Amino acid sequence: QVQLQQWGTGLLKPSETLSLTCAVYGGSFSGFYWAWVRQPPGKAPEWIGEINDDGRSRYSPSLRSRVTISVDTSKNQISLRMNSLTAADTAMYYCARAITVYGIIIRWFDSWGQGTLVTVSS
Amino acid sequence: SFELTQTLSVSVAPGQTARISCGGDNLGSKTVHWYQQKTGQAPVLVIYRDNNRPSGIPERFSGSTSGNMATLTISRAQVDDEADYFCQVWDSTTVSYVFGTGTKVSVL
Repeated sequence: QVQLQQWGTGLLKPSETLSLTCAVYGGSFSGFYWAWVRQPPGKAPEWIGEINDDGRSRYSPSLRSRVTISVDTSKNQISLRMNSLTAADTAMYYCARAITVYGIIIRWFDSWGQGTLVTVSS
Repeated sequence: SFELTQTLSVSVAPGQTARISCGGDNLGSKTVHWYQQKTGQAPVLVIYRDNNRPSGIPERFSGSTSGNMATLTISRAQVDDEADYFCQVWDSTTVSYVFGTGTKVSVL
């Protein structure tokens, strides 16, 4: 049973950079994409981006300019950095394992981290 | 951008059936997945690939699609089923995961 454990700074000021890390335990790290998803209070989840163990990454078009996702295969970890934060970036941030079938056509998330609340406030 | 629209809220009496809908343009050409999210918790996958239940999800949860609408059905609803439910697809045009707007299910 795979488990995702995440951590990072929860309170940031506008213009600062968010940094979160997610460690994967109890399952295979290779062969999957590992994603970051955020959810503003009272709203739907929003996909941020994802990366696989080869370092191949893709990002949400709306966040691509501010986001970097990296991978450390020696530790089975992925990390998220998002710069130029504003109050609109206040949200619960989750890491998740993405399942892919038939290449890129069918994709979903089958395991999630516990979430990290990030608040952007001056 | 591709959007998925869900009914804001659904109320159901214990033991009855709740149906949660998810609609979007040309949704019939995509595969839909469903997540349950209880207050203060991470989402949990309850249906994948339109109508498949992950291990550990009760048979009371089922999914279906028809035309441009997908439906999550909760049979014999229990108080423990109270949660927000989100549909999700992969949009090949924008190369993005897309979530629905969410439905709050109340069992009372």
